[in-house]
Amino acid sequence: EDKVVQSPLSLVVHEGDTVTLNCSYEVTNFRSLLWYKQEKKAPTFLFMLTSSGIEKKSGRLSSILDKKELFSILNITATQTGDSAVYLCAVRTGTASKLTFGTGTRLQVTL
Amino acid sequence: GAVVSQHPSWVICKSGTSVKIECRSLDFQATTMFWYRQFPKQSLMLMATSNEGSKATYEQGVEKDKFLINHASLTLSTLTVTSAHPEDSSFYICSARDSARDRDSPLHFGNGTRLTVT
Repeated sequence: EDKVVQSPLSLVVHEGDTVTLNCSYEVTNFRSLLWYKQEKKAPTFLFMLTSSGIEKKSGRLSSILDKKELFSILNITATQTGDSAVYLCAVRTGTASKLTFGTGTRLQVTL
Repeated sequence: GAVVSQHPSWVICKSGTSVKIECRSLDFQATTMFWYRQFPKQSLMLMATSNEGSKATYEQGVEKDKFLINHASLTLSTLTVTSAHPEDSSFYICSARDSARDRDSPLHFGNGTRLTVT
């Protein structure tokens, strides 16, 4: 059975802090790893990673994948209150492009 | 950008009735759509893969007779929760992949439907 595990489950930080969110996986037929941000409703897409060691960056967010050790991290620098959300890691497997989601990390950024 | 519209956004129904949830891709075609279920403070659990013009593929433990999926066109998939019970109360989210893009392109999510069964 495919498994995606995220840590920590929840995190409270002060505005301006830097956070690192972790995602490890055990799946068969790996295709890619995706990060999503979920505030109240639909998850919104952040990054898709397919190759090891290549950092993807978007503003204050960045992510990298290690296919040998089977994990990914999502970094957020200079956090803002608007970053408060649940961050979901998902792994795509097989030909059907099925996504298996991790448990999510609930991030709260306080003033 | 690609938009997925899900309707209704919330619904309350009585135990024993059926509820239909629609998922539409507004500006792209989707031969494949996915239905997820999310309990409070938990992650998204894949229920089934909906394939246009053919039967849906259900995940282990999901009752196909209870959660009927129809994907009759390239832009619409429906999930019908039949004979709903209070334990079916949950947040249901659909997602779709743009058929014109490669298989590894990101999925686009609807805004979800919060179902409450009384």
